[in-house]
Amino acid sequence: EVQLVESGGGLVQPGRSMKLSCAASGFTFSNYGMAWVRQAPTKGLEWVATISYDGSSTYYRDSVKGRFTISRDNAKSTLYLQMNSLRSEDTATYYCTRVLGAAWFAYWGQGTLVTVSS
Amino acid sequence: DIQMTQSPSSLPASLGERVTISCRASQGISNNLNWYQQKPDGTIKPLIYYTSNLQSGVPSRFSGSGSGTDYSLTISSLEPEDFAMYYCQQDASFPPTFGGGTKLELK
Repeated sequence: EVQLVESGGGLVQPGRSMKLSCAASGFTFSNYGMAWVRQAPTKGLEWVATISYDGSSTYYRDSVKGRFTISRDNAKSTLYLQMNSLRSEDTATYYCTRVLGAAWFAYWGQGTLVTVSS
Repeated sequence: DIQMTQSPSSLPASLGERVTISCRASQGISNNLNWYQQKPDGTIKPLIYYTSNLQSGVPSRFSGSGSGTDYSLTISSLEPEDFAMYYCQQDASFPPTFGGGTKLELK
């Protein structure tokens, strides 16, 4: 059974950093692209970043480029999202997803809430 | 970016009813259209990919159709567990974008 378990969320002040992790199990992690999708409170879903199966390619939405870094450790079956210079508009639940094809988010974690506030 | 517009935003319906949710893209997306269900606890379940392909384990009462810019999700006979939020999403081009969501509510 595919499992994606996010961790690392919480309350952080504007301008500070936070790193999210996603522990994957139930499949060969190194064979799949992975992505982060977020959802601000009472809002819809928004794609954040994608990384290829081997980490060689990464893609970001414009609003997080230069501030967020997606990475992976295939030996640990873990996906990461390093978030720097956080803003109030980054407040959201962040979901870890397994990607098929271009951007079919075929499996989702339960999400981790990030609150950016002073 | 490709804009995705869902309608209606809210859909009151009864158990056993057949319902359809629409999704329109701002430009042609060549059937690269996916659907997701989100429950009130935040759990997200992928339903349909590439317009009409059911994810493994999704009941056959769910179906998808469409082409070009216009797509739809149909539930043939509503069950209690179907009352939730539904989102469409295109992956024809980066960035992938989602519709604003449709809340399927019990009438």
